[in-house]
Amino acid sequence: KNEVEQSPQNLTAQEGEFITINCSYSVGISALHWLQQHPGGGIVSLFMLSSGKKKHGRLIATINIQEKHSSLHITASHPRDSAVYICAAISNFGNEKLTFGTGTRLTIIP
Amino acid sequence: SAVISQKPSRDICQRGTSLTIQCQVDSQVTMMFWYRQQPGQSLTLIATANQGSEATYESGFVIDKFPISRPNLTFSTLTVSNMSPEDSSIYLCSVGTGPYGYTFGSGTRLTVV
Repeated sequence: KNEVEQSPQNLTAQEGEFITINCSYSVGISALHWLQQHPGGGIVSLFMLSSGKKKHGRLIATINIQEKHSSLHITASHPRDSAVYICAAISNFGNEKLTFGTGTRLTIIP
Repeated sequence: SAVISQKPSRDICQRGTSLTIQCQVDSQVTMMFWYRQQPGQSLTLIATANQGSEATYESGFVIDKFPISRPNLTFSTLTVSNMSPEDSSIYLCSVGTGPYGYTFGSGTRLTVV
């Protein structure tokens, strides 16, 4: 069982819909990243969270440390949001290595 | 945060040959990381490269197959040696940018034929 699980694996939605991607982890963490990967392969860090909630434009990320769960929300989704979204946890075991989820492929249809 | 220039962005290579991937960072960083992402899979750490010392490889990855150079605090290369079709993947470099922060390169999409 992967230490970081994401759901759903694939998500197709109409433009304008509210999107939620979930991430659960089984290890103690120091922080969690939400990453966006475009078709060329490059990765951009959207958020780094250790508690609470962060917002940037139409993107919102939340984390519940007690429940070991994080969500990424996209409001008023747009076709340019189509990408693979990956959560990555930084363990608190001292090595600070990233453990990656398997990603959610999001497709927004105009 | 740091900006990484990764080259090449993609390549198609013959089996048995080698490819060297370069990452140039616009600031000095202590640790650089190299990842592999096989088709449909999540990222897997290949090795951690510190300047002035040998890279530290993760289980399942060996220096003979993935030699890494780190000649200074802004540059690193990863070579994929004696390639086979199973090496077809996206390869990414990454740097730490402060407490728990990371920046990633633009990726190298490698196809081995």
